[in-house]
Amino acid sequence: KNEVEQSPQNLTAQEGEFITINCSYSVGISALHWLQQHPGGGIVSLFMLSSGKKKHGRLIATINIQEKHSSLHITASHPRDSAVYICGSGSFGNEKLTFGTGTRLTIIP
Amino acid sequence: GAGVSQSPRYKVAKRGQDVALRCDPISGHVSLFWYQQALGQGPEFLTYFQNEAQLDKSGLPSDRFFAERPEGSVSTLKIQRTQQEDSAVYLCASSLFVAGGDTQYFGPGTRLTVL
Repeated sequence: KNEVEQSPQNLTAQEGEFITINCSYSVGISALHWLQQHPGGGIVSLFMLSSGKKKHGRLIATINIQEKHSSLHITASHPRDSAVYICGSGSFGNEKLTFGTGTRLTIIP
Repeated sequence: GAGVSQSPRYKVAKRGQDVALRCDPISGHVSLFWYQQALGQGPEFLTYFQNEAQLDKSGLPSDRFFAERPEGSVSTLKIQRTQQEDSAVYLCASSLFVAGGDTQYFGPGTRLTVL
């Protein structure tokens, strides 16, 4: 069974700080997804990656397949980045995603 | 429409009542997923459709839960004889192709409260 763990569960930082959220999974995957969920529940897909690194604006996602670990980084954090960040993994031959419990990020002005 | 839509956005049901939750995926998307998200938790997989075929329903918590996608587009998740433990946000997501390696687009969810 694929298990996904995230850390930290909660993170509070000052505006401008560099943020790192970690995700570990237990079995080989076809892709790792990072989602952003704002208060009110709307979910936006940020990244899907199976190797290396992807960048979109101030957000960077990396994955280490050998170590079964992914990180989401936010540079120059801003209060509007405050949200819950969720990672999810898809396994080979299995279309469903298994998600972690999320990291609640709060950026203080 | 431009994105995945779900209705109703909020549903309050009395224990024992049947409910039906609707999902309109992005037009042309082959894959459709239903997830259940309890408060403070990540989404949990319920079921998966590829076009009209329900290929995986391993996450449905009991036989009170039933999902269909008869024409390969709109999907309905039905919960019979609702219980308080069914209270959660029900999320629908769609992807263009096979989803393990494809971006999933999420709807806003339906928040179900069972009294």
